[in-house]
Amino acid sequence: AQSVTQLDSQVPVFEEAPVELRCNYSSSVSVYLFWYVQYPNQGLQLLLKYLSGSTLVKGINGFEAEFNKSQTSFHLRKPSVHISDTAEYFCAVSYSGAGSYQLTFGKGTKLSVIP
Amino acid sequence: GAGVSQSPSNKVTEKGKDVELRCDPISGHTALYWYRQRLGQGLEFLIYFQGNSAPDKSGLPSDRFSAERTGESVSTLTIQRTQQEDSAVYLCASSLLGVDYGYTFGSGTRLTVV
Repeated sequence: AQSVTQLDSQVPVFEEAPVELRCNYSSSVSVYLFWYVQYPNQGLQLLLKYLSGSTLVKGINGFEAEFNKSQTSFHLRKPSVHISDTAEYFCAVSYSGAGSYQLTFGKGTKLSVIP
Repeated sequence: GAGVSQSPSNKVTEKGKDVELRCDPISGHTALYWYRQRLGQGLEFLIYFQGNSAPDKSGLPSDRFSAERTGESVSTLTIQRTQQEDSAVYLCASSLLGVDYGYTFGSGTRLTVV
């Protein structure tokens, strides 16, 4: 079964500093990979996704992620964070192929941006 | 509508009572999903509807949980004889055809069983 590990449950970072949120998944087959963001008292919003092609994926709000098949990782990065980036971030994976509708989510990483 | 709408946003119920949660997906989205988010946990898949196909109920934790969807419209998740461990945020999402399009989530229903 698929599993997703987000190694850091909480990440504090100063405003305008870079940040990396780590995500590793377990799989030996092709996968689709996603990052979602959840702002306080809101639903999850898609940040970016990797389906195929270029391993560097750019998303909304200046975030990007790099798919590394050999390390089964999909880390999320932003070169300079803002206060408004304070939220919880979830990595998710699904199999590509028939029946690939179910997402397996990590437990989330709470990003706190410090002024 | 413009987004996925869930109601109620908050529900407090007594242990043993039945509750019904509603999800109104984005018009035209054929796929609809229910997830559960317990405090400090990742999202847990509950059930998936795709068009008129038989739903995938493999994530429902017990027979106290059931869900229905009429065509490609509203879905209801029913929990019978609620228990304290049912307390969680129940999230609904819809998507156009499949997961590769990404899900659009509703804001969720926070269920508290006292």
